[in-house]
Amino acid sequence: ETGVTQTPRHLVMGMTNKKSLKCEQHLGHNAMYWYKQSAKKPLELMFVYNFKEQTENNSVPSRFSPECPNSSHLFLHLHTLQPEDSALYLCASSQGEIGNTEAFFGQGTRLTVV
Amino acid sequence: DAKTTQPPSMDCAEGRAANLPCNHSTISGNEYVYWYRQIHSQGPQYIIHGLKNNETNEMASLIITEDRKSSTLILPHATLRDTAVYYCIVGIGTASKLTFGTGTRLQVTL
Repeated sequence: ETGVTQTPRHLVMGMTNKKSLKCEQHLGHNAMYWYKQSAKKPLELMFVYNFKEQTENNSVPSRFSPECPNSSHLFLHLHTLQPEDSALYLCASSQGEIGNTEAFFGQGTRLTVV
Repeated sequence: DAKTTQPPSMDCAEGRAANLPCNHSTISGNEYVYWYRQIHSQGPQYIIHGLKNNETNEMASLIITEDRKSSTLILPHATLRDTAVYYCIVGIGTASKLTFGTGTRLQVTL
């Protein structure tokens, strides 16, 4: 238990569906992150939020839409995804975006797009 | 560009020390060395980090060479639960500034 909880753990969705991934952290951290991990590829950073403000978007397609209503919660809204978007989506948090501290990761959501 | 080089895989007998090497010859003076691991189908787990001094915590020890061009992560008594992919990362700051590579797959065997 890392203090970062992601739901659901597994998700299968059609290309025309709309779904959301949820991440919640109980660590009092101010920075939260979305990562994508495709099969046999390194982790790719998608979005960064610091004090609820988006500070980084790594050229992620608009079919992925993040939302950070407060420092404890982070969502990733999904719509009209493609099969190649199937991957493990990981949420992480850290005390802040700067400073040399560790990041805590959730267990991930295994997404399959059919 | 890869900032670290790690062997793709290693084996270790249970109960023995696992020594995982990492080369980071282009590390700059203010960059830290971080180690994370990822057990199959789970999120990465932070292990340890350091700047230039050797570091030890309840999970592992980190040995950084004097010129800082390489480091070794030591798991003193490996168990089967230590089987995972271990990532050596150099960078400044937290998750937004760290680039995960392909890591070393450590297999601990009986």
